[in-house]
Amino acid sequence: DQQVKQNSPSLSVQEGRISILNCDYTNSMFDYFLWYKKYPAEGPTFLISISSIKDKNEDGRFTVFLNKSAKHLSLHIVPSQPGDSAVYFCAAYDSTGTASKLTFGTGTRLQVTL
Amino acid sequence: DSGVTQTPKHLITATGQRVTLRCSPRSGDLSVYWYQQSLDQGLQFLIHYYNGEERAKGNILERFSAQQFPDLHSELNLSSLELGDSALYFCASSVVGATSSYTFGSGTRLTVV
Repeated sequence: DQQVKQNSPSLSVQEGRISILNCDYTNSMFDYFLWYKKYPAEGPTFLISISSIKDKNEDGRFTVFLNKSAKHLSLHIVPSQPGDSAVYFCAAYDSTGTASKLTFGTGTRLQVTL
Repeated sequence: DSGVTQTPKHLITATGQRVTLRCSPRSGDLSVYWYQQSLDQGLQFLIHYYNGEERAKGNILERFSAQQFPDLHSELNLSSLELGDSALYFCASSVVGATSSYTFGSGTRLTVV
Protein backbone atom coordinates (compact mmCIF):
# COMPACT_ATOMS: atom_id res chain seq x y z
CA ASP A 1 0.00 0.00 0.00
CA GLN A 2 1.75 3.11 -1.27
CA GLN A 3 0.72 5.83 1.16
CA VAL A 4 2.84 8.48 -0.52
CA LYS A 5 2.70 8.65 -4.29
CA GLN A 6 4.73 10.54 -6.83
CA ASN A 7 3.02 9.74 -10.10
CA SER A 8 5.54 11.39 -12.39
CA PRO A 9 8.73 9.33 -12.57
CA SER A 10 10.51 12.04 -14.50
CA LEU A 11 10.30 15.71 -15.46
CA SER A 12 12.35 17.80 -17.84
CA VAL A 13 12.46 21.58 -17.50
CA GLN A 14 14.46 24.30 -19.19
CA GLU A 15 16.93 26.28 -17.15
CA GLY A 16 15.33 29.41 -15.73
CA ARG A 17 11.78 28.02 -15.89
CA ILE A 18 9.68 26.72 -13.03
CA SER A 19 9.83 23.08 -11.98
CA ILE A 20 6.74 21.68 -10.28
CA LEU A 21 6.98 18.31 -8.60
CA ASN A 22 3.83 16.72 -7.24
CA CYS A 23 3.07 14.33 -4.43
CA ASP A 24 -0.14 12.76 -3.16
CA TYR A 25 -0.77 10.95 0.09
CA THR A 26 -3.55 8.75 1.40
CA ASN A 27 -2.95 8.61 5.15
CA SER A 28 -4.87 11.44 6.81
CA MET A 29 -2.75 11.04 9.95
CA PHE A 30 0.29 12.49 8.19
CA ASP A 31 0.90 15.97 9.57
CA TYR A 32 4.44 16.78 8.49
CA PHE A 33 5.85 16.62 5.00
CA LEU A 34 9.34 16.84 3.63
CA TRP A 35 11.17 16.91 0.33
CA TYR A 36 14.54 15.28 -0.13
CA LYS A 37 16.91 15.59 -3.06
CA LYS A 38 19.16 12.75 -4.15
CA TYR A 39 22.16 12.86 -6.45
CA PRO A 40 23.64 9.64 -7.88
CA ALA A 41 25.92 7.74 -5.50
CA GLU A 42 24.80 9.90 -2.58
CA GLY A 43 22.17 9.57 0.09
CA PRO A 44 19.06 11.76 0.06
CA THR A 45 19.52 15.22 1.55
CA PHE A 46 16.83 17.26 3.24
CA LEU A 47 15.50 20.13 1.16
CA ILE A 48 12.39 21.68 2.68
CA SER A 49 9.49 20.73 4.92
CA ILE A 50 6.00 21.85 5.83
CA SER A 51 3.73 21.25 8.77
CA SER A 52 0.05 20.55 8.23
CA ILE A 53 -0.84 23.77 10.04
CA LYS A 54 0.58 25.70 7.09
CA ASP A 55 -0.25 25.68 3.42
CA LYS A 56 2.99 27.15 2.14
CA ASN A 57 6.64 27.24 3.11
CA GLU A 58 9.34 29.03 1.20
CA ASP A 59 13.11 28.77 1.28
CA GLY A 60 14.93 30.68 -1.40
CA ARG A 61 14.11 29.19 -4.79
CA PHE A 62 12.14 26.35 -3.22
CA THR A 63 8.49 26.56 -2.15
CA VAL A 64 6.32 23.74 -0.91
CA PHE A 65 2.53 24.00 -1.09
CA LEU A 66 0.20 21.79 0.91
CA ASN A 67 -3.46 21.17 0.08
CA LYS A 68 -4.78 19.09 2.96
CA SER A 69 -8.27 18.64 1.60
CA ALA A 70 -6.86 17.16 -1.59
CA LYS A 71 -4.06 15.35 0.28
CA HIS A 72 -1.63 16.86 -2.19
CA LEU A 73 1.62 18.71 -1.95
CA SER A 74 3.90 20.20 -4.53
CA LEU A 75 7.43 21.51 -4.69
CA HIS A 76 8.11 24.54 -6.86
CA ILE A 77 11.63 25.43 -7.91
CA VAL A 78 12.03 28.89 -9.42
CA PRO A 79 14.18 29.49 -11.34
CA SER A 80 15.39 25.99 -12.14
CA GLN A 81 19.13 25.53 -12.45
CA PRO A 82 21.17 22.66 -13.97
CA GLY A 83 22.43 21.78 -10.48
CA ASP A 84 18.84 21.01 -9.50
CA SER A 85 18.94 17.92 -11.72
CA ALA A 86 18.44 15.07 -9.26
CA VAL A 87 15.80 12.68 -7.95
CA TYR A 88 13.31 14.33 -5.59
CA PHE A 89 11.55 12.30 -2.93
CA CYS A 90 8.45 13.39 -1.10
CA ALA A 91 8.14 12.05 2.46
CA ALA A 92 5.45 12.18 5.13
CA TYR A 93 5.36 11.74 8.87
CA ASP A 94 2.72 11.11 11.53
CA SER A 95 3.90 13.03 14.58
CA THR A 96 1.17 11.49 16.75
CA GLY A 97 2.26 7.94 15.99
CA THR A 98 4.65 5.88 18.04
CA ALA A 99 6.98 5.20 15.15
CA SER A 100 9.00 8.25 14.17
CA LYS A 101 9.57 7.06 10.64
CA LEU A 102 9.27 8.81 7.34
CA THR A 103 7.18 7.29 4.56
CA PHE A 104 8.65 8.05 1.15
CA GLY A 105 7.29 8.27 -2.35
CA THR A 106 8.99 6.60 -5.30
CA GLY A 107 10.73 9.77 -6.45
CA THR A 108 10.67 12.06 -9.48
CA ARG A 109 13.78 12.48 -11.58
CA LEU A 110 14.16 16.14 -12.53
CA GLN A 111 16.36 17.11 -15.43
CA VAL A 112 17.07 20.77 -15.98
CA THR A 113 18.25 21.40 -19.50
CA LEU A 114 20.26 24.32 -20.84
CA ASP B 1 30.16 14.28 3.97
CA SER B 2 26.81 13.98 5.77
CA GLY B 3 28.35 12.62 8.97
CA VAL B 4 26.59 9.27 8.58
CA THR B 5 29.03 6.57 7.50
CA GLN B 6 27.96 3.40 5.79
CA THR B 7 30.24 0.51 4.93
CA PRO B 8 30.82 -1.14 2.61
CA LYS B 9 29.75 1.03 -0.32
CA HIS B 10 29.37 -1.93 -2.62
CA LEU B 11 28.83 -5.61 -1.93
CA ILE B 12 28.46 -8.48 -4.37
CA THR B 13 27.51 -11.84 -2.98
CA ALA B 14 25.86 -15.09 -3.99
CA THR B 15 22.37 -16.30 -3.25
CA GLY B 16 22.04 -18.05 0.07
CA GLN B 17 24.84 -16.06 1.67
CA ARG B 18 24.74 -13.72 4.66
CA VAL B 19 26.06 -10.16 4.79
CA THR B 20 26.35 -7.43 7.38
CA LEU B 21 25.93 -3.76 6.57
CA ARG B 22 27.30 -1.22 8.98
CA CYS B 23 26.20 2.30 9.85
CA SER B 24 27.81 4.90 12.09
CA PRO B 25 25.37 7.71 12.89
CA ARG B 26 26.15 11.40 12.98
CA SER B 27 27.77 12.48 16.23
CA GLY B 28 25.09 13.14 18.85
CA ASP B 29 22.30 11.32 17.00
CA LEU B 30 20.66 8.55 19.00
CA SER B 31 18.26 7.26 16.36
CA VAL B 32 19.22 5.05 13.44
CA TYR B 33 16.85 4.11 10.63
CA TRP B 34 17.38 1.58 7.87
CA TYR B 35 15.73 1.92 4.47
CA GLN B 36 15.81 -0.23 1.35
CA GLN B 37 15.58 1.19 -2.15
CA SER B 38 14.96 -1.37 -4.87
CA LEU B 39 14.94 -0.53 -8.56
CA ASP B 40 12.30 2.12 -9.36
CA GLN B 41 10.98 1.92 -5.83
CA GLY B 42 10.87 4.52 -3.15
CA LEU B 43 12.69 4.21 0.10
CA GLN B 44 11.07 1.41 2.07
CA PHE B 45 11.37 1.66 5.82
CA LEU B 46 12.91 -1.39 7.46
CA ILE B 47 13.63 -0.65 11.10
CA HIS B 48 14.31 2.10 13.64
CA TYR B 49 16.58 1.94 16.67
CA TYR B 50 16.84 4.53 19.39
CA ASN B 51 19.73 4.43 21.86
CA GLY B 52 20.11 0.68 21.47
CA GLU B 53 16.43 -0.23 21.56
CA GLU B 54 14.22 -1.22 18.67
CA ARG B 55 11.49 1.39 18.24
CA ALA B 56 9.66 0.46 15.08
CA LYS B 57 9.64 -2.17 12.38
CA GLY B 58 8.53 -1.78 8.82
CA ASN B 59 8.25 -4.40 6.12
CA ILE B 60 11.43 -6.11 7.20
CA LEU B 61 11.79 -9.74 6.20
CA GLU B 62 12.39 -12.37 8.87
CA ARG B 63 15.70 -13.12 7.12
CA PHE B 64 16.81 -9.59 8.01
CA SER B 65 17.76 -8.40 11.47
CA ALA B 66 19.43 -5.37 12.94
CA GLN B 67 20.89 -4.09 16.14
CA GLN B 68 22.31 -0.92 17.59
CA PHE B 69 25.36 -1.19 19.78
CA PRO B 70 26.34 0.83 22.91
CA ASP B 71 28.55 3.09 20.79
CA LEU B 72 25.37 3.76 18.71
CA HIS B 73 26.61 2.23 15.49
CA SER B 74 24.15 -0.14 13.87
CA GLU B 75 24.39 -3.27 11.79
CA LEU B 76 21.85 -4.71 9.38
CA ASN B 77 22.21 -8.44 8.87
CA LEU B 78 20.78 -10.00 5.74
CA SER B 79 20.76 -13.80 5.51
CA SER B 80 19.70 -16.48 3.03
CA LEU B 81 20.05 -13.84 0.38
CA GLU B 82 17.85 -13.94 -2.71
CA LEU B 83 18.21 -12.16 -6.04
CA GLY B 84 15.36 -9.87 -5.05
CA ASP B 85 17.35 -8.56 -2.10
CA SER B 86 19.59 -6.67 -4.51
CA ALA B 87 19.04 -3.02 -3.63
CA LEU B 88 20.48 0.12 -2.14
CA TYR B 89 20.38 0.06 1.63
CA PHE B 90 20.40 3.44 3.34
CA CYS B 91 20.96 4.27 6.93
CA ALA B 92 19.79 7.57 8.38
CA SER B 93 20.24 9.11 11.79
CA SER B 94 18.46 11.78 13.78
CA VAL B 95 18.50 13.23 17.27
CA VAL B 96 15.09 11.98 18.46
CA GLY B 97 12.44 11.58 15.78
CA ALA B 98 13.34 15.08 14.65
CA THR B 99 12.52 14.51 11.03
CA SER B 100 14.09 17.64 9.69
CA SER B 101 17.43 16.44 11.00
CA TYR B 102 17.10 13.00 9.41
CA THR B 103 20.53 12.63 7.83
CA PHE B 104 21.25 9.87 5.35
CA GLY B 105 24.44 8.02 4.62
CA SER B 106 25.50 7.41 1.04
CA GLY B 107 24.19 3.86 1.08
CA THR B 108 25.42 0.33 0.48
CA ARG B 109 24.68 -1.15 -2.93
CA LEU B 110 24.05 -4.86 -2.51
CA THR B 111 24.10 -7.10 -5.56
CA VAL B 112 23.07 -10.72 -5.13
CA VAL B 113 24.13 -12.98 -8.01
